[in-house]
Amino acid sequence: EAGVTQFPSHSVIEKGQTVTLRCDPISGHDNLYWYRRVMGKEIKFLLHFVKESKQDESGMPNNRFLAERTGGTYSTLKVQPAELEDSGVYFCASSPLDRGGNSPLHFGNGTRLTVT
Amino acid sequence: RKEVEQDPGPFNVPEGATVAFNCTYSNSASQSFFWYRQDCRKEPKLLMSVYSSGNEDGRFTAQLNRASQYISLLIRDSKLSDSATYLCVVSFGNEKLTFGTGTRLTIIP
Repeated sequence: EAGVTQFPSHSVIEKGQTVTLRCDPISGHDNLYWYRRVMGKEIKFLLHFVKESKQDESGMPNNRFLAERTGGTYSTLKVQPAELEDSGVYFCASSPLDRGGNSPLHFGNGTRLTVT
Repeated sequence: RKEVEQDPGPFNVPEGATVAFNCTYSNSASQSFFWYRQDCRKEPKLLMSVYSSGNEDGRFTAQLNRASQYISLLIRDSKLSDSATYLCVVSFGNEKLTFGTGTRLTIIP
């Protein structure tokens, strides 16, 4: 079974530019999550999709961040325009719909974003 | 106050020793508890869920004390391969995980 895949693995962009991160969840996983770890801090929740619908986007830092999951398969997270404080590792995770509260999330390897 | 607090370490422990990590959480309504492991520059991976009765998986034992809002992880007979960052994770039952900053463990040969 292929795991959660994220692209790109690394991205270095200048302040003010736009970057789009992509996540392909495990096939059949309706839950898709975005998390972020900025340097020296804990991993923090950004948002949660159930299929193509945003279930919870309470962790999105501001309106420069836009997440989509058209068709309920892969998801994109766009940062526009990027700021220095957006640097960090962006993780995507997925899980089956009937999670029951104790099924594990499967994380991707993350995208390391550096804004200069 | 952070929602999930952990001692960041680092813990440097000789191979074969026993090591214990603790974690406290602030929200008494928390429903699910986990320990995740994260290797350097890798993704977090679930190590084990933590149940009120305590649970064991090989050399790893997890305990939960709801009254004190405290979670622990014990690793016995530590191996070099146990070197990693251990993340205490709490969920409030709404699918959203809340992570601690992690405790870094290095097993010394």
